Amino acid sequence: DIQMTQSPSSLSASVGDRVAITCRASQGIAYYLAWYQQKPGELPKLLIYGASVLQSGVPSRFSGSGSGTDFTLTISSLQPEDVATYYCQKYNSAPFTFGPGTKVDIK
Amino acid sequence: EVQLLESGGGLVQPGGSLRLSCAASGFITNNNGINGISWVRQAPGKGLEWVSSICGIGSGTYNADSVTGRFTISRDNSKKTLYLQMNNLRAEDTAVYYCAKLRSDYCTDPIDYWGQGTLVTVSS
Repeated sequence: DIQMTQSPSSLSASVGDRVAITCRASQGIAYYLAWYQQKPGELPKLLIYGASVLQSGVPSRFSGSGSGTDFTLTISSLQPEDVATYYCQKYNSAPFTFGPGTKVDIK
Repeated sequence: EVQLLESGGGLVQPGGSLRLSCAASGFITNNNGINGISWVRQAPGKGLEWVSSICGIGSGTYNADSVTGRFTISRDNSKKTLYLQMNNLRAEDTAVYYCAKLRSDYCTDPIDYWGQGTLVTVSS
């Protein structure tokens, strides 16, 4: 099975900073990669699918890039409401594995 | 408005069984059935774990290795209800179980709506 890893596992940044989270698949998954945001005590929310397609209603400061095995979620200007854990998920074929998550805090 | 309402969680002893239900409303697919649906779980303080999926097209189902042979996903299109039959439960199955709608009829699509979740606790 394809393994999903994320780095870093956590980060702390200042408001307005550019933040990048990396997701890596152990084998190629083309563009079948989604990013989710889960705020404390809330349900996960789809941010990006197809590696780079912004889900409707998601602020444009979020962007995704990559293909194959290496993917990046970028927050161009970190806001207080972005405090959350971010997960990637592969969906090219089963198992539809999630990454372990990256916790983002405000410094 | 898309709604996914889970039920059936609770406390069960190791080796026991539970059936989770997920009543879906607010969306209709081309075949007048239900989109692809996944069950995803989250143990207390832990990350998301994909458990099982059933496709809206055809009858394809998929399970994580950790539940294969113990969990079965199914659906009743006429009732727009999804089920997760969980047998031989283990302590490590303790988690909030989310019913989650996929973007399309295909299992190879991400999740765009999540139910509120139902807690399953496996303990003696």
